Amino acid sequence: ETGVTQTPRHLVMGMTNKKSLKCEQHLGHNAMYWYKQSAKKPLELMFVYSLEERVENNSVPSRFSPECPNSSHLFLHLHTLQPEDSALYLCASRLGTGLYNEQFFGPGTRLTVL
Amino acid sequence: AQSVTQLDSQVPVFEEAPVELRCNYSSSVSVYLFWYVQYPNQGLQLLLKYLSGSTLVKGINGFEAEFNKSQTSFHLRKPSVHISDTAEYFCAVSDQGDSGNTPLVFGKGTRLSVIA
Repeated sequence: ETGVTQTPRHLVMGMTNKKSLKCEQHLGHNAMYWYKQSAKKPLELMFVYSLEERVENNSVPSRFSPECPNSSHLFLHLHTLQPEDSALYLCASRLGTGLYNEQFFGPGTRLTVL
Repeated sequence: AQSVTQLDSQVPVFEEAPVELRCNYSSSVSVYLFWYVQYPNQGLQLLLKYLSGSTLVKGINGFEAEFNKSQTSFHLRKPSVHISDTAEYFCAVSDQGDSGNTPLVFGKGTRLSVIA
């Protein structure tokens, strides 16, 4: 049990749908991350929320929209996705102070876009 | 820009044999280095990390890694593997100027398959 939960674990959606991925942590962390994991590619950092500041990878399409209402919850809103967006989406959190503290990962949401 | 190269995409090894998973990085600054493991249908779990000090780092499940600054490498080793070590292993690097916003840069991963 890593302390980071993600729902749903699996999601199948059409290109015209709107859905949201949810991530929750109760580890007292103050930084949360969304990563995209595609086969045969390195993990791609999509968004970071740290101390209420958002940092984003400029290569992430606008059809992905993050939301972080508080330090324990993180959402990824999806709309008009493309088949190439099919991947495992991982959430992570860490305590972002002092010497480097490890990131704790959730189990991921397996997304399939039809 | 930083990058991480994991030289082997797949490594098959017999049970109880030793294994080495290779990782090289490129960075113009001092770095922190990490190895993560991902078991099927799970997220990533930290195996070990190098922050400073001794270049030989010991982690969980009997794994260890050695930081070699001159060769910019951080290879992962285990003297005797078990079936339960079958998983995907990721090497990652971060600048030592890290803040909560400094990203980890991951390699593509190495799939370790332990054969009975």
